[in-house]
Amino acid sequence: SAVISQKPSRDICQRGTSLTIQCQVDSQVTMMFWYRQQPGQSLTLIATANQGSEATYESGFVIDKFPISRPNLTFSTLTVSNMSPEDSSIYLCSVLSGTGIYEQYFGPGTRLTVT
Amino acid sequence: AQSVTQLGSHVSVSEGALVLLRCNYSSSVPPYLFWYVQYPNQGLQLLLKYTTGATLVKGINGFEAEFKKSETSFHLTKPSAHMSDAAEYFCAVSSGGYQKVTFGTGTKLQVIP
Repeated sequence: SAVISQKPSRDICQRGTSLTIQCQVDSQVTMMFWYRQQPGQSLTLIATANQGSEATYESGFVIDKFPISRPNLTFSTLTVSNMSPEDSSIYLCSVLSGTGIYEQYFGPGTRLTVT
Repeated sequence: AQSVTQLGSHVSVSEGALVLLRCNYSSSVPPYLFWYVQYPNQGLQLLLKYTTGATLVKGINGFEAEFKKSETSFHLTKPSAHMSDAAEYFCAVSSGGYQKVTFGTGTKLQVIP
């Protein structure tokens, strides 16, 4: 299993500013994912972050808006840049962990409100 | 390509009644199937998973799900609902290994006393 922590747990930010969300895992993992969960909706994958390589972004998400760092096998950050109210969401960090059969584990999420 | 359809965005049951949350999947390869639960203001927690073998899978908190290939379904059940089961439930599919997991739109379960 994997235990994931995220900081901050919630924040209220002004339009036009940026917020960096941190994700820490208690074990080394190859693949980390960042998801967005807008109010009342399901999870949307933003990007996959592998250590030592550039993050892979899903359709509709770009690096300029959501830059990601993955400096080692236990840590990643997601920055939400030049925020607008439409960015108000829960942002979830997730990892694949296991042997043979991989399971996906999730952090508690960062609840972002942009005013 | 893979996808998941969850029938019913909201389900209400009485405490002690059967819980049935429906999930149908589409996958071009043998699927790995998952149910996750999300309690208010928390992240997602794995309830149960199907990979291979026995088609009836038991999970935590008394939940179980049955993989029916002929019906492309993976419905989640619990014989007797408890107030603490009130949460949002997500069905998900992947093709295993390091492959991307695709989530359904979620079903919010309300338990009425």
